[in-house]
Amino acid sequence: GAGVSQSPSNKVTEKGKDVELRCDPISGHTALYWYRQRLGQGLEFLIYFQGNSAPDKSGLPSDRFSAERTGESVSTLTIQRTQQEDSAVYLCASSLVGTGFRYGYTFGSGTRLTVV
Amino acid sequence: GDSVTQMEGPVTLSEEAFLTINCTYTATGYPSLFWYVQYPGEGLQLLLKATKADDKGSNKGFEATYRKETTSFHLEKGSVQVSDSAVYFCALRGTQGGSEKLVFGKGTKLTVNP
Repeated sequence: GAGVSQSPSNKVTEKGKDVELRCDPISGHTALYWYRQRLGQGLEFLIYFQGNSAPDKSGLPSDRFSAERTGESVSTLTIQRTQQEDSAVYLCASSLVGTGFRYGYTFGSGTRLTVV
Repeated sequence: GDSVTQMEGPVTLSEEAFLTINCTYTATGYPSLFWYVQYPGEGLQLLLKATKADDKGSNKGFEATYRKETTSFHLEKGSVQVSDSAVYFCALRGTQGGSEKLVFGKGTKLTVNP
């Protein structure tokens, strides 16, 4: 697609429920990143995909968080047993592998997750 | 590990004022440096970048120079407009390991009043 697309744009869930957040990167972008932005805070790195593998998942805050990517395209971030501290905007970005240092990354508009 | 420190906001200026948002970094090697901007209700957009020492990134009247000796990448604009009101993030892409992740500062909210 023309840009990075994320869905849903907003999600309200009850504490303890599981949620899935989706990211469609720019067509042909082999690198994909997930970040979290809590209210009034900076961006926290969660996980980086190169193709379908994740060489850096160091930012996942707990084992309740997981992500996968298939077909070097769509990625899904899953949060199990959501907690109120999971409330944040979850951002996805993509780039061509090896070019991010030169051109930066393209971000989606994010999914605003609210856990009540 | 790599880190970015940028000046805490919020910053409030009058239209046509001079803007400086300070950003310093800690990284091994020679990172690439970026400024991203987030306008109200919108996603993050790349504003400008610099990939090596003494490079100057510029866009939309904003400038930042990669200063390795002071490990800084301060954002400047000579005359701000109301439309520049946004949150600005400094970021680096390090050279450690195989990850291409960006490390961000906490963001600085800028409000420009008419």
